[in-house]
Amino acid sequence: EAQVTQNPRYLITVTGKKLTVTCSQNMNHEYMSWYRQDPGLGLRQIYYSMNVEVTDKGDVPEGYKVSRKEKRNFPLILESPSPNQTSLYFCASRLGYRDTDTQYFGPGTRLTVL
Amino acid sequence: AQKVTQAQTEISVVEKEDVTLDCVYETRDTTYYLFWYKQPPSGELVFLIRRNSFDEQNEISGRYSWNFQKSTSSFNFTITASQVVDSAVYFCAFTNAGKSTFGDGTTLTVKP
Repeated sequence: EAQVTQNPRYLITVTGKKLTVTCSQNMNHEYMSWYRQDPGLGLRQIYYSMNVEVTDKGDVPEGYKVSRKEKRNFPLILESPSPNQTSLYFCASRLGYRDTDTQYFGPGTRLTVL
Repeated sequence: AQKVTQAQTEISVVEKEDVTLDCVYETRDTTYYLFWYKQPPSGELVFLIRRNSFDEQNEISGRYSWNFQKSTSSFNFTITASQVVDSAVYFCAFTNAGKSTFGDGTTLTVKP
């Protein structure tokens, strides 16, 4: 089944403890992206990647890192999480660089930073 | 930078009523794409429609229709004869060169 998977789905952590949220897609998509969703603020793009080893900042990249060493995976790294990073995170992928391609979203990761 | 405004935070209608969700965007780009997504209570994001900046044809898909007007920078979404299953949060989004901006969303509640 074609899908975008995220792990973990739920995570409660403490301030300053490094964490990684994994994202993987099995559709051989070139483009991947991370978003955060907060109440009343819609989805805001954190980082996106047009292809392997190519990443760009979205609107809210501060406090996050990403890497794209292989096509299928696009992990989101929080080196020193803070409570304002408590949010619902979505990973997405699409076939290529063209904006016409449909974006497929993962199921979301709910992160709480205490 | 682009901006997407969904002025209606919440809308409540009774089943079978028609409802229009507004979306207005701001950009200096000449080439871009606009999207609508649905997020039901279960939380997943479902793609509904895509429109590019050069295509102002309206589109109808069953009970759903979309009206894109470049002159007013609007991309409105109408649900005809709404149903309880239409209850969800709806997002309008703007994309250009991989960078996406979403509106804050409109929560639609359809009451039986």
